[in-house]
Order: sequence, then C-alpha cells, then structure tokens
Amino acid sequence: DAKTTQPNSMESNEEEPVHLPCNHSTISGTDYIHWYRQLPSQGPEYVIHGLTSNVNNRMASLAIAEDRKSSTLILHRATLRDAAVYYCILRGYSGGGADGLTFGKGTHLIIQP
Amino acid sequence: GAGVSQSPRYKVAKRGQDVALRCDPISGHVSLFWYQQALGQGPEFLTYFQNEAQLDKSGLPSDRFFAERPEGSVSTLKIQRTQQEDSAVYLCASSHGGGGTEAFFGQGTRLTVV
Repeated sequence: DAKTTQPNSMESNEEEPVHLPCNHSTISGTDYIHWYRQLPSQGPEYVIHGLTSNVNNRMASLAIAEDRKSSTLILHRATLRDAAVYYCILRGYSGGGADGLTFGKGTHLIIQP
Repeated sequence: GAGVSQSPRYKVAKRGQDVALRCDPISGHVSLFWYQQALGQGPEFLTYFQNEAQLDKSGLPSDRFFAERPEGSVSTLKIQRTQQEDSAVYLCASSHGGGGTEAFFGQGTRLTVV
C-alpha cells in the first residue's frame, strides 16, 4: 500500500500559484519526501525532495509540516506545461527495494489557460 | 549518456512470445528499479538492484518475469511466454545512492501483446 494520500485531481489557472497537498502520517524519521511528475507518454520526472526543512529549487518549493506528517508542493506560477500527474513518495534512508520508490495514484493537475 | 535510456521504445509481441527489454542507467548509478505501468495507473514496482545484486524482486507478478544486471550497469527485463495482461509500459529508473538522492527515469518501453 502507498504510504501517502493525495487528492485525485486539482485544477488551476495559468500563471497562478498551485499548492498540491500530500498526507503521510506514517512517515518514519529517516524517510525522505520526494515529488515526481509524469507528463503524458513520458517517464516520471524528479521535481524536488526534502527531509525536514522547506526546500526550493528552480521548479518548485516543498513545504514540510513541523511534525512531517504532511507536505505541500508549491508551483509558484503554473504554466500549461505543468499539467501532469504529480506523485508524492516517501523514500527510505537506504533508497532501495520496494520501499525505495513506491508510487501511489498521484494528483492529476489540470491547468486552464 | 545524459539520461536513462530504454530500448526498444515500442514492442509488439504475439501471445506466447518471449521479450527482452533493455535499460541503460546513468553511468555510476548504484540503484536500478523496474516498474510496470498500466494505462491510467501509477507505476507499480517490479524489482530493485543495488549494483549487480537483485535485492528485491517482490513486485514481479509471476515466474515468467526475470530481471538481471550482471555487471552492475545495463539491466534486462525478460518476460517469457507473454500474455495479453502483460501489455503495459515498462519503466526503468536509476539513482546514485540512498533515499536522499533523486531518481532518474527512462522514457519506458510500451509492450503490446496481441
């Protein structure tokens, strides 16, 4: 079973910020929080990851709750190219095995022009 | 190469035929994963390698599925006596190390069994 819970779908307008939530109440102290996205007919693409502190990169920001039981992926200014399925994944310390990178159902993000 | 490369991109097999899918990970990446993705679903874990050692094969759906990575780099996923339910996209991913490192995915191989 996936260890994360995400809404099935979300809709946003182009050039507006998007906040994608993820619940992971059973997270362990050594689990990293990873986000990947998958555009149609492509393999998943890494977006961002973090452990305890909030993280920023050129693609997005990751806000992690203080108790680490939830997190939010923030796209600061959505474009049509950001329409994809977004997966929130817990990756164990070793990074390997079935617990190394297990996908749930993800959130289908729809961007309206 | 610049990324994870999978071949072929598309494969059509007759039911009962054996197929072999290849994955070239990023050079130096220790971890390698295989996934199966049915239409409209998320990727399902099949198996995991750390270098040449297959440490987890709990996701392989039957003994018709076999994976190897003999020299710790290129990996092959083999499916024997293919069946229609094997039709899916097969994805390969590699990463440099543990949970704090990002994983890189190939474009996948779309297998259609007719």
